[in-house]
Amino acid sequence: AQSVTQPDIHITVSEGASLELRCNYSYGATPYLFWYVQSPGQGLQLLLKYFSGDTLVQGIKGFEAEFKRSQSSFNLRKPSVHWSDAAEYFCAVGGDQAGTALIFGKGTTLSVSS
Amino acid sequence: ETGVTQSPTHLIKTRGQQVTLRCSSQSGHNTVSWYQQALGQGPQFIFQYYREEENGRGNFPPRFSGLQFPNYSSELNVNALELDDSALYLCASSSFNGGLRDNEQFFGPGTRLTVL
Repeated sequence: AQSVTQPDIHITVSEGASLELRCNYSYGATPYLFWYVQSPGQGLQLLLKYFSGDTLVQGIKGFEAEFKRSQSSFNLRKPSVHWSDAAEYFCAVGGDQAGTALIFGKGTTLSVSS
Repeated sequence: ETGVTQSPTHLIKTRGQQVTLRCSSQSGHNTVSWYQQALGQGPQFIFQYYREEENGRGNFPPRFSGLQFPNYSSELNVNALELDDSALYLCASSSFNGGLRDNEQFFGPGTRLTVL
């Protein structure tokens, strides 16, 4: 079955501390992986994506993610969190063909403490 | 470059009514996908339209239907509304040109539907 698991429902990080959000996926074909961020009442903004090549991908706002095929993981990291990073984060997996759905995890809520 | 837009922003309907949500795709994009995001959940795929035809569908009943117009904008129609249809409805556009990266989707701000 195709699925995405985000094990952490809610994470609180101190401002300036590092962050890692976990994502594990199950997908029968070549996975294309995405991280999106959603602020309250807003749509989804793409942070970064992995299609192929270098398994460490850089995104916007200082985020990066590492694709590990052997672990079926695509964890999101940031070395120093800012208060404005507080939001909901979604990991998603999709195929390489139009018409294939993006499958999302249930999301991780990030709170940033001062 | 204009991003994905959706209308209306918010909508309140009663059970049994019908609703139409609208989406304008990003400039240059020819494919539109619709997702339903219930409170506290990740988005779930409803269906996708390409060249004015449905091109993939998730696990949603037939009372969820859609259209895509020649200018690539799209509508989502939901008949016989149920309380569980209350959710944020997200539209995403992408550009299918036969390449490997066609599934990069850009999302609109969503329409918040409340069914009473």
